[in-house]
Amino acid sequence: SQTIHQWPATLVQPVGSPLSLECTVEGTSNPNLYWYRQAAGRGLQLLFYSVGIGQISSEVPQNLSASRPQDRQFILSSKKLLLSDSGFYLCAWSFRTGRNEKLFFGSGTQLSVL
Amino acid sequence: GQNIDQPTEMTATEGAIVQINCTYQTSGFNGLFWYQQHAGEAPTFLSYNVLDGLEEKGRFSSFLSRSKGYSYLLLKELQMKDSASYLCAVKGSNYQLIWGAGTKLIIKP
Repeated sequence: SQTIHQWPATLVQPVGSPLSLECTVEGTSNPNLYWYRQAAGRGLQLLFYSVGIGQISSEVPQNLSASRPQDRQFILSSKKLLLSDSGFYLCAWSFRTGRNEKLFFGSGTQLSVL
Repeated sequence: GQNIDQPTEMTATEGAIVQINCTYQTSGFNGLFWYQQHAGEAPTFLSYNVLDGLEEKGRFSSFLSRSKGYSYLLLKELQMKDSASYLCAVKGSNYQLIWGAGTKLIIKP
């Protein structure tokens, strides 16, 4: 069965510090991978998605970046965090079977930038 | 622009039925999803509709009308554990998901 791991669960970082969030998927190959951010009381905002190794599409210009060094590994980074980067970050992967498609989420990282 | 609208909050009684509506305006349509999200946790998949009609899955059902840009999630025999936010998301013409802000459902005994 497929599983998705995301860590850490919570993170408190000072403004201006770097960030690295990691996500790995097991039990599948060549998944589509996503990074989302969810601000309190708002919808999920797609940050990055990847359809293959080294292929990253950015949806929102900001001080965050993403990398996919391996097929089932997706990393979200920042060189200098801003206060506005606080939020709940979710990694996800998807697959499609016929007409049906599902998006599966990792457990999330609650990031507080102080 | 693209828009997903759903009520911010709803309250229902344990054992009752509740319907959560979602209306959308998107450039293209390639399916609509409903997810459940408990506070502080990741969303979990509930349903996927791509054709008009009702999809039933146990206590939960989801309905879609593409011509009206409308969907609803129907929850029957409500339980306290159903207290959560319910997220509506539409896959647009570029196959990326557009998310609503979610409906917080409060279940009272």
